[in-house]
Amino acid sequence: EIVMTQSPATLSVSPGERATLSCRASQSVKNNLAWYQQKPGQTPRLLISDASTRATGIPARFSGSGSGTEFTLTISSLQSEDFVVYYCQQYDSWPLTFGGGTKVEIK
Amino acid sequence: EVQLLESGGGLVQPGESLRLSCAATGFTFSNYGMDWVRQAPGKGLEWVSAISGTGGTTYYTDSVKGRFTISRDNSKNTLYLQMSSLRVEDTAVYYCAKVVWRQIFDIWGQGTMVTVSS
Repeated sequence: EIVMTQSPATLSVSPGERATLSCRASQSVKNNLAWYQQKPGQTPRLLISDASTRATGIPARFSGSGSGTEFTLTISSLQSEDFVVYYCQQYDSWPLTFGGGTKVEIK
Repeated sequence: EVQLLESGGGLVQPGESLRLSCAATGFTFSNYGMDWVRQAPGKGLEWVSAISGTGGTTYYTDSVKGRFTISRDNSKNTLYLQMSSLRVEDTAVYYCAKVVWRQIFDIWGQGTMVTVSS
């Protein structure tokens, strides 16, 4: 099983600033990596697939990068609605696995 | 509008069974793989099971193998998860999710809560 490790668990950032979230895989997943956003009481929403492809309707301030074992989700200028939880997910091999999540909070 | 609506959750005792359903609307159901993903209270996401569009291929996470069975009825546009020998650690919100391609989830249901407690 591929273990996905997200860091930090909590990220404190001021509105308007940049947030950088990390996701590390225990072995290479090539670029088979997705990012999801989950707001409190809501279902996850797909942000990024194939490590760097934004999903339909996702604002350009969200960008993904990386390949192999190291991945990054960057939010260029945090808006109020961005202070929620983010998960990475690998779909390179079974079983599918998610990272433990990063909560972005207001500094 | 593409929608997924889960049902069937509830409170059961350890060792009991439960069947979850996920009704799909707004897309050609049989063309897409479907998955179940769960989230324990206050915890992260955990993938549970996947099924191909035809229903001919299924996958499970190790902790549910032999206890859970995923299936689908394409004539009814409905996904199922039959859960047996339930354990306290199966307590979670269970989401069904539509696979857009590979195993990337573009649409999620609102979830149904399963509580396993004595």
